[in-house]
Amino acid sequence: DQQVKQNSPSLSVQEGRISILNCDYTNSMFDYFLWYKKYPAEGPTFLISISSIKDKNEDGRFTVFLNKSAKHLSLHIVPSQPGDSAVYFCAASDRSNTGKLIFGQGTTLQVKP
Amino acid sequence: DVKVTQSSRYLVKRTGEKVFLECVQDMDHENMFWYRQDPGLGLRLIYFSYDVKMKEKGDIPEGYSVSREKKERFSLILESASTNQTSMYLCASSPPGGQGQPQHFGDGTRLSIL
Repeated sequence: DQQVKQNSPSLSVQEGRISILNCDYTNSMFDYFLWYKKYPAEGPTFLISISSIKDKNEDGRFTVFLNKSAKHLSLHIVPSQPGDSAVYFCAASDRSNTGKLIFGQGTTLQVKP
Repeated sequence: DVKVTQSSRYLVKRTGEKVFLECVQDMDHENMFWYRQDPGLGLRLIYFSYDVKMKEKGDIPEGYSVSREKKERFSLILESASTNQTSMYLCASSPPGGQGQPQHFGDGTRLSIL
């Protein structure tokens, strides 16, 4: 059973506009959520995270919003740039100390010039 | 910067072969992980290790084993390779404890089993 879901396989936006990537989860024991970005032929790189005690975290053009009651998080990229074109994965960690993450299926973002 | 190095970027093997994928990290991280990435399925955890000689099964361990004899090195072994193990394999490491510590990934090994 998929505990972390990204229901949109792909998203296309115009350069300069906002990109919104969505992620849903089922396990209320998750305490941290992370977003990763992956270019082809490279490993995923960490973008931004949020603790379950917060509802928003911002880092430059990237903002993550967490809605615990809806078990939903979203990544906003403003303004979007062509270099943002990549696959984005959301991930969640539980309260164990193993460092284990559970990843969603990924969303491919294309930013058109 | 954390460096996670996977020994091969591309690998082609035959069905039935025993295949070794090697991963080395240089940040003295306790935790190491092996994933495979397939289209539409995201990253799925095969095995992980939280200490030398310690290992735990992930979500899809069948057909795989691992070895962690030294802290910096985590090996993934395909005991008898099959075509359904053709995939992108990613290794990652992270410091001890949970609390949302990000994992640091290598660049992956694209493995093809013919």
